[in-house]
Amino acid sequence: GDSVTQMEGPVTLSEEAFLTINCTYTATGYPSLFWYVQYPGEGLQLLLKATKADDKGSNKGFEATYRKETTSFHLEKGSVQVSDSAVYFCALRIGGGADGLTFGKGTHLIIQP
Amino acid sequence: GAVVSQHPSWVICKSGTSVKIECRSLDFQATTMFWYRQFPKQSLMLMATSNEGSKATYEQGVEKDKFLINHASLTLSTLTVTSAHPEDSSFYICSAFRTLGPDTQYFGPGTRLTVL
Repeated sequence: GDSVTQMEGPVTLSEEAFLTINCTYTATGYPSLFWYVQYPGEGLQLLLKATKADDKGSNKGFEATYRKETTSFHLEKGSVQVSDSAVYFCALRIGGGADGLTFGKGTHLIIQP
Repeated sequence: GAVVSQHPSWVICKSGTSVKIECRSLDFQATTMFWYRQFPKQSLMLMATSNEGSKATYEQGVEKDKFLINHASLTLSTLTVTSAHPEDSSFYICSAFRTLGPDTQYFGPGTRLTVL
């Protein structure tokens, strides 16, 4: 079946450090790929997405590129801030928006001032 | 915009009782809503997909008689955990797919269920 693997946390970084959170997937079809972020006490929010190979999703300084050859969708940010502290989930979807998502386990990111 | 609420945010119940969790899209219509379950330090697992006015579609391994889903309106879906047992204790999260708008699911904040 479909699955998403992402690096275990927590990941602790200092402010202004470079961030990479790895995500790889296995899928029976051609998936769309997503990164969601969950701040404490809030629901998951879509951070960025990519729907086909070589697409780059970007938002709030975060980027991820859909790499079909390595089945990866790694999340990166050049300079993190304390406010980026949250749990980040990588996910895939086969089909359209009315289909469910398959999530990774989530990575807890802690940014220290 | 695109806010999804869940009620209650947490609930404690005795074994054998039933618990209803509500998921509402506050400012948009959602023909499709999803229910996920999350165990500690685990990923969200899709339980079922509910479409307004029709029966829910359950994922393999999810007991439809135990987890009753009703999607009676375009803004409300409910999940009822029937005859709850301690192993049903979990974090339940809903999401809603906006009928008109971006190809995106919007998530509620989740409901923590503890069965004693």
